[in-house]
Amino acid sequence: AQSVTQLDSHVSVSEGTPVLLRCNYSSSYSPSLFWYVQHPNKGLQLLLKYTSAATLVKGINGFEAEFKKSETSFHLTKPSAHMSDAAEYFCVVSHLGLDGNKLVFGAGTILRVKS
Amino acid sequence: DGGITQSPKYLFRKEGQNVTLSCEQNLNHDAMYWYRQDPGQGLRLIYYSQIVNDFQKGDIAEGYSVSREKKESFPLTVTSAQKNPTAFYLCASSRTSGTYNNEQFFGPGTRLTVL
Repeated sequence: AQSVTQLDSHVSVSEGTPVLLRCNYSSSYSPSLFWYVQHPNKGLQLLLKYTSAATLVKGINGFEAEFKKSETSFHLTKPSAHMSDAAEYFCVVSHLGLDGNKLVFGAGTILRVKS
Repeated sequence: DGGITQSPKYLFRKEGQNVTLSCEQNLNHDAMYWYRQDPGQGLRLIYYSQIVNDFQKGDIAEGYSVSREKKESFPLTVTSAQKNPTAFYLCASSRTSGTYNNEQFFGPGTRLTVL
């Protein structure tokens, strides 16, 4: 079975400093992994996805994530936080079964950016 | 301008009433999904549909019903049997559900409050 653990429910950084949001996954096969962002009372927007190509994945708004199979991790990083990055972030693993493709979501990490 | 629309944005319901949430997409996607979001719990799958006139239960289908009469529409009915319906509801779609690396595209959500 597939599962996702986001290691921090809340992360607080100062504007201009690096961002690290941690994610560990469990999957019985080579997974597809995603990071989504959600601003308050909005839908989810895809930041980036890993699909067994390059292990370092670049996404929108300067975010990137590195797939590390040996550590079963897919941490999200950004070199310099901006105020507009304040949102909730979800790490997601894809599960493909006989009844189609489903996503398994982590519980989310709320990112706060201080000025 | 392609995308997913959900209506209404806010919905209030009295106990014992059924309500229907609308979800429409013009992305020509085959698969559509309904999720429920509660604070600190990520997203949980209610129902999904891989093709017109077919749908499957997700992890928390009790107290909900859906239909898929048209490719672009996937309405969700929250029935009086749902014991705790107050939540944020998100609709999503993807090209197909048969490929594990297809990302899902999300609508802006409907916030349902039971009075």
